[in-house]
Amino acid sequence: EAQLVESGGGLIQPGGSLRLSCAASGFIVSSNYMSWVRQSPGKGLEWVSLIYIDANTYYADSVKGRFTVSRDNSRNTLYLQMNNLRAEDTAVYYCAREIKHLEAGAYWFDPWGQGTLVTVSS
Amino acid sequence: EIVLTQSPATLSLSPGERATLSCRASQSVSSYLAWYQQKPGQAPRLLIYDVSNRATGIPARFSGSGSGTDFTLTISSLEPEDFALYYCQQRNNWPPTFGQGTRLEIK
Repeated sequence: EAQLVESGGGLIQPGGSLRLSCAASGFIVSSNYMSWVRQSPGKGLEWVSLIYIDANTYYADSVKGRFTVSRDNSRNTLYLQMNNLRAEDTAVYYCAREIKHLEAGAYWFDPWGQGTLVTVSS
Repeated sequence: EIVLTQSPATLSLSPGERATLSCRASQSVSSYLAWYQQKPGQAPRLLIYDVSNRATGIPARFSGSGSGTDFTLTISSLEPEDFALYYCQQRNNWPPTFGQGTRLEIK
């Protein structure tokens, strides 16, 4: 069974940095598309970043230039390095595998980790 | 980016009743729409993908329909465990976007 466990969240001051981790089991991270999605009361669910199998990366405009997604194949773990954090980055951050269930279908977030809370406040 | 508008924001029903949740897209998303269920303190869980396909382990009382800009999630007969938040999500245009959610609560 595919499972994801996030860690690394916490309270951080504006302008600070934090690295989130997402440990996978039951599947190989490097053989899948992997995303980070965040959820805040004010903005609901928001896709944040994606890393492809070929390691190409993509970001939401709101985090571009500040966040970096990466993976460690030996640890089967996904990361999100967050720099220059702002109050509006406060959210629960989820990692999720992207999987296509139909040949002609799209990629969907399945499964999700349990999430890790990031609070940016002075 | 595509905006997904879900209605109603809150739906109050009793167990055994039929629930109909709506998701409208600001432009066509073809058939690339999914539904997720989220319970308090839990992550979202994939329910329906590519409009009408149930994810693994999802009961047959859940069904999805629609095309283009208008989509519906139907729960034929509500069970107590179905009262939760429901989100739609599109993957036709970049970036992937979510609706703001419908809260299904016990009447």
